[in-house]
Amino acid sequence: AQKVTQAQTEISVVEKEDVTLDCVYETRDTTYYLFWYKQPPSGELVFLIRRNSFDEQNEISGRYSWNFQKSTSSFNFTITASQVVDSAVYFCALSEAPRYRDDKIIFGKGTRLHILP
Amino acid sequence: DTEVTQTPKHLVMGMTNKKSLKCEQHMGHRAMYWYKQKAKKPPELMFVYSYEKLSINESVPSRFSPECPNSSLLNLHLHALQPEDSALYLCASSQEEGSDTQYFGPGTRLTVL
Repeated sequence: AQKVTQAQTEISVVEKEDVTLDCVYETRDTTYYLFWYKQPPSGELVFLIRRNSFDEQNEISGRYSWNFQKSTSSFNFTITASQVVDSAVYFCALSEAPRYRDDKIIFGKGTRLHILP
Repeated sequence: DTEVTQTPKHLVMGMTNKKSLKCEQHMGHRAMYWYKQKAKKPPELMFVYSYEKLSINESVPSRFSPECPNSSLLNLHLHALQPEDSALYLCASSQEEGSDTQYFGPGTRLTVL
């Protein structure tokens, strides 16, 4: 069965520090997709990244970077030089290859990130 | 443009009221979703529409009734709700149902008195 674990419930760091959010997943499939979403206090889930299981290259987008390691079933997210606007709840999510009628995206429980000025 | 819009932003209703939540997207996506999110929890899937047909109903009580009038619109009709139904209701859409990226709207914060 598919499962996403975000062990860090809440993290607080001081502005300009780097912070890494952990995500560990379980899946029965060899083809699957991993996502990160950001949910600021306003409520909207903002899509950050989608990665398929065959692409293990790390990705960098500005201050954001993602480390995908199939060997440890992890898809960690790092924010470099954090800013107060990064304060939000971050969800990691998993979707298996569409094969079953009830395929759906599975969210982790989220990590609440506080960036302190 | 990856915009999904939802109205209203906030809704307060009594347990005997009938109301509707609306969701719209103009990205040509063929799958649309309703999620319910309680405070400090991840979103929980309620319904999925694919090509305007109901594809998934996650055993949601019948007091929630979805409707997809066309490929751009998704409604959620509410009737005889309970206080425990108070939550953030999120709409999302994706190119196709399955593993495509879902884009979310800003949500409707519903309070049932």
